[in-house]
Amino acid sequence: AQTVTQSQPEMSVQEAETVTLSCTYDTSESNYYLFWYKQPPSRQMILVIRQEAYKQQNATENRFSVNFQKAAKSFSLKISDSQLGDTAMYFCAFMTSGTYKYIFGTGTRLKVLA
Amino acid sequence: DVKVTQSSRYLVKRTGEKVFLECVQDMDHENMFWYRQDPGLGLRLIYFSYDVKMKEKGDIPEGYSVSREKKERFSLILESASTNQTSMYLCASSLGLQENTEAFFGQGTRLTVV
Repeated sequence: AQTVTQSQPEMSVQEAETVTLSCTYDTSESNYYLFWYKQPPSRQMILVIRQEAYKQQNATENRFSVNFQKAAKSFSLKISDSQLGDTAMYFCAFMTSGTYKYIFGTGTRLKVLA
Repeated sequence: DVKVTQSSRYLVKRTGEKVFLECVQDMDHENMFWYRQDPGLGLRLIYFSYDVKMKEKGDIPEGYSVSREKKERFSLILESASTNQTSMYLCASSLGLQENTEAFFGQGTRLTVV
């Protein structure tokens, strides 16, 4: 069975600093997709960034970037220049090619401190 | 703006009641999902539908059923509500046959069974 592990239940970071959230996954498949979702206190979940496993280049979206290590099955999220609005639960998710279903980790609660 | 709308944000029901959670999306998406979110457990898939009247069990389907009579609407049914079904329920949708597509989420329904 595929699993997603987020080993940091809670983290905090000072405003304007950089923080990295970790995610590891387990699969025997070679073709899959990885996502980071953000759930602010208002609860609407939104996509932060996505990565195709066949792409070697790490995805970036403005202040958000990933470090994708396929051999280690690791997919960490780096948030640069943290802002108060980044305070949220962050979920790592995984989808195996052909299934269209998202498997989520347990989440990391991030608090950005002023 | 794309939208996934869940009929209630908060719901209180009695043990043994039949409960309906409704979800509507306006994006013509083929795939729809029901997840349950609990602290420390992340999001767990209850049921998945990839087309009208088509459904597939997720990881925790026991005690739940679903209905998808129209493409835009996906209902989660608790046949006989129990206190261990007190939770946050999230509905999501995604475009079919596109594997790297993002899931769009509703605002969530906080269900309390007393």
